[in-house]
Amino acid sequence: DIQMTQSPSFVSASVGDRLTISCRASQDISTWLAWYQQQPGKPPKLLIYAASTLQSGVPSRFSGSGSGTDFTLTISSLQPEDFATYYCLQANSPSGFTFGPGTKVDLK
Amino acid sequence: QLQLQESGPGLVKPSETLSLSCTVSGGSFTNSNYWWAWIRQPPGKRLEWIGSIYYSGSTYYNPSLRTRVTLSVDTSKSQFSLKVTSVTAADTAVYFCAKHGTGYSDSWPDSWGLGTLVTVSS
Repeated sequence: DIQMTQSPSFVSASVGDRLTISCRASQDISTWLAWYQQQPGKPPKLLIYAASTLQSGVPSRFSGSGSGTDFTLTISSLQPEDFATYYCLQANSPSGFTFGPGTKVDLK
Repeated sequence: QLQLQESGPGLVKPSETLSLSCTVSGGSFTNSNYWWAWIRQPPGKRLEWIGSIYYSGSTYYNPSLRTRVTLSVDTSKSQFSLKVTSVTAADTAVYFCAKHGTGYSDSWPDSWGLGTLVTVSS
């Protein structure tokens, strides 16, 4: 099975900050990776898929990069609505999907 | 716009069977590009994919849950369903239904229900 890790697990930041979240797969998944944002009490929202493709309607301050085992989500300038938990998801395994443990972004 | 809604009991006793349904509206349930998935999230924990089903009934499951999980479809009702047998407190979670495809551009769950909390307790 493919295992996913994320770092950091928690980060405090301010509006306007540039933020980077990392995700690592236990084996090569090419670019079969997505990023989700989840607000409390709501379902996850797809932000980025295929490692770097912005989902329709998602603001351009979100970007993704990486391939193989190491991936990054960047928010260029944090907005108040961006304080949430972010998950990566791999979709390369024939055994199905695996999510990362999440990164909570909190207001400093 | 595609909408998904989960339904089912919010409380299940230990050792019993958890049963949920997801009703799809605003789009074609039998679209050949769509798979239908169940994903759960225990309180304060990460999301866990449970399994996916095609409208024809083809399925694939999370290996860690395969022995206890069954997915089924009812195309006449645009519904798909989840059964988890022999539940324990570890199965307490918010259960989401979602849609995904199989191609490189749409493999990702991109339409989700709001989720339903299922608590396992006597």
